[in-house]
Amino acid sequence: QKEVEQDPGPLSVPEGAIVSLNCTYSNSAFQYFMWYRQYSRKGPELLMYTYSSGNKEDGRFTAQVDKSSKYISLFIRDSQPSDSATYLCAMRGDTGRRALTFGSGTRLQVQP
Amino acid sequence: DVKVTQSSRYLVKRTGEKVFLECVQDMDHENMFWYRQDPGLGLRLIYFSYDVKMKEKGDIPEGYSVSREKKERFSLILESASTNQTSMYLCASSFPLGLAGGPGVDTQYFGPGTRLTVL
Repeated sequence: QKEVEQDPGPLSVPEGAIVSLNCTYSNSAFQYFMWYRQYSRKGPELLMYTYSSGNKEDGRFTAQVDKSSKYISLFIRDSQPSDSATYLCAMRGDTGRRALTFGSGTRLQVQP
Repeated sequence: DVKVTQSSRYLVKRTGEKVFLECVQDMDHENMFWYRQDPGLGLRLIYFSYDVKMKEKGDIPEGYSVSREKKERFSLILESASTNQTSMYLCASSFPLGLAGGPGVDTQYFGPGTRLTVL
């Protein structure tokens, strides 16, 4: 079983829809939770991060972490065609391994 | 503006060849990483380095080695390329977590990737 599970999609939504992207994980030591966005033929770039449980909002994007359920989400409000990309969740603990553990990514297509 | 560059965007090699993938960052980051990205498998860590001449194995180091002689440069070496090493290779760099004055999290900055095909 993978340490981080993410639905690969693809997910196709109309412009303006609310999008929900999710990851589950098994390692209770994870404390930092990140969402990366990867456009076609580009490297991933950090979109948002949260530390421990809770919500964080940045414009149309909201990240949620529920450590009790080992479940994280990224919500995109008023989705735009420019949001079409692959979204990867990533996480790590406070100590120990310095590298991130990534989900497999969800491909999102926002139709105009 | 942060910059991570990789030596090639596309590379075609033959089975058994020795392959060098180069990564350079201009942000004075201590940490550097090599991942491979395959459909359905996401990013998998091959090796990372947290200082010059230091390296640690990631999740899939077999068939690969790395070199970090200078802080800004991290090389991935395929000693004898095989067809199952056909993949997208991504390099990343970051400050250490919690570095004073740095970002609140060790944001990894990625290069554009090298798509390697081994025939």
